[in-house]
Amino acid sequence: AQKITQTQPGMFVQEKEAVTLDCTYDTSDPSYGLFWYKQPSSGEMIFLIYQGSYDQQNATEGRYSLNFQKARKSANLVISASQLGDSAMYFCAMRVIASNTGNQFYFGTGTSLTVIP
Amino acid sequence: NAGVTQTPKFRILKIGQSMTLQCTQDMNHNYMYWYRQDPGMGLKLIYYSVGAGITDKGEVPNGYNVSRSTTEDFPLRLELAAPSQTSVYFCASTLGQVRSLSYNEQFFGPGTRLTVL
Repeated sequence: AQKITQTQPGMFVQEKEAVTLDCTYDTSDPSYGLFWYKQPSSGEMIFLIYQGSYDQQNATEGRYSLNFQKARKSANLVISASQLGDSAMYFCAMRVIASNTGNQFYFGTGTSLTVIP
Repeated sequence: NAGVTQTPKFRILKIGQSMTLQCTQDMNHNYMYWYRQDPGMGLKLIYYSVGAGITDKGEVPNGYNVSRSTTEDFPLRLELAAPSQTSVYFCASTLGQVRSLSYNEQFFGPGTRLTVL
């Protein structure tokens, strides 16, 4: 069964510090993609970063990087130099790329990040 | 390119009423999804579609119906609204199912906040 687990309901980080948001996933399919989304208090879903299961290097997008450890089935999001505007809910998601999976995205329960000035 | 648009933004329904949430995308995406997000929770998949004329149930389909007569439109129908359907509803779309971000990135609409009293 496909599953995404985020074990940190809430996190606090000091402004300008780095923070890691944890995400573990479960799938037996070899081909999948991992995503992180940010949801600010305004409610929209903002795509942050993507990692494909066959990608050799960890994904990076500006201050966001994805620490992909395939053997451990983890895809942690690292935010460097936190800013007040980073305060939001963060969701990890997975899409298994196989014809018999329904092409669904699976979302974790989210981590609420608060950046402290 | 408007992306994914949803109407209405807000709606209050009385118990037993029906309504249709509209979703349109102009990116020629094959895959479309409906999610609901209850307060403080992650996203749960209601229904999805892999192309015009093809729909399938997600995790929480009871009380909802969908249709996909065109590539662009994917309306969600609520029949006999119940207080348990009070939630924020997101429509999303994805181009395809290939191992690359451009095909897998999921684009979200702004959401519809529905209250059933």
